[in-house]
Amino acid sequence: ETGVTQTPRHLVMGMTNKKSLKCEQHLGHNAMYWYKQSAKKPLELMFVYSLEERVENNSVPSRFSPECPNSSHLFLHLHTLQPEDSALYLCASSQDGPSGGADTQYFGPGTRLTVL
Amino acid sequence: DQQVKQNSPSLSVQEGRISILNCDYTNSMFDYFLWYKKYPAEGPTFLISISSIKDKNEDGRFTVFLNKSAKHLSLHIVPSQPGDSAVYFCAASASNNAGNMLTFGGGTRLMVKP
Repeated sequence: ETGVTQTPRHLVMGMTNKKSLKCEQHLGHNAMYWYKQSAKKPLELMFVYSLEERVENNSVPSRFSPECPNSSHLFLHLHTLQPEDSALYLCASSQDGPSGGADTQYFGPGTRLTVL
Repeated sequence: DQQVKQNSPSLSVQEGRISILNCDYTNSMFDYFLWYKKYPAEGPTFLISISSIKDKNEDGRFTVFLNKSAKHLSLHIVPSQPGDSAVYFCAASASNNAGNMLTFGGGTRLMVKP
């Protein structure tokens, strides 16, 4: 496997279900991100992990819970979601420089989530 | 309020002609800008970037122009090819942001007709 992979690619869940999205990066990067892409809305940053520490939360509802056990893996745990949470969830990774700054982020293919 | 805007949701261009995609931003702290291309059912792929110390960056058929005073950037694709048909996102970052956070525009769907 190369690049950034995400599983599952498609997920349908009910509002009372608990599920998890998985992301794995094979690029040796030290930062990982979750984004949400809803129809007709800009890509929204949800969570950032740099060196396995959460950097930014962006006021995401608590029904989304991220986990970063190591620099290669990122999870998004989902529980009691709402239909409006249906969207494409994208994972990305990058190599953060020591002073922050802008490094290219590489994206996974996304998980298409439908909440019924 | 959106800090990065792509005001044209779609653009249609004939094969071989130039495609010009535009992006405006409001945050004067942004100093690094990127363009991503996204095909259906795939994640965005990095295309080209530009730092605020430059006003132009070229890579093959793709050129990005930055006008800092107007807070405007554009992506030129010439000549356009049918395989360029995709959604294009511009993104911006500020170097004082921890964690390298990108702010994305809403995307422009480019259709290149054969």
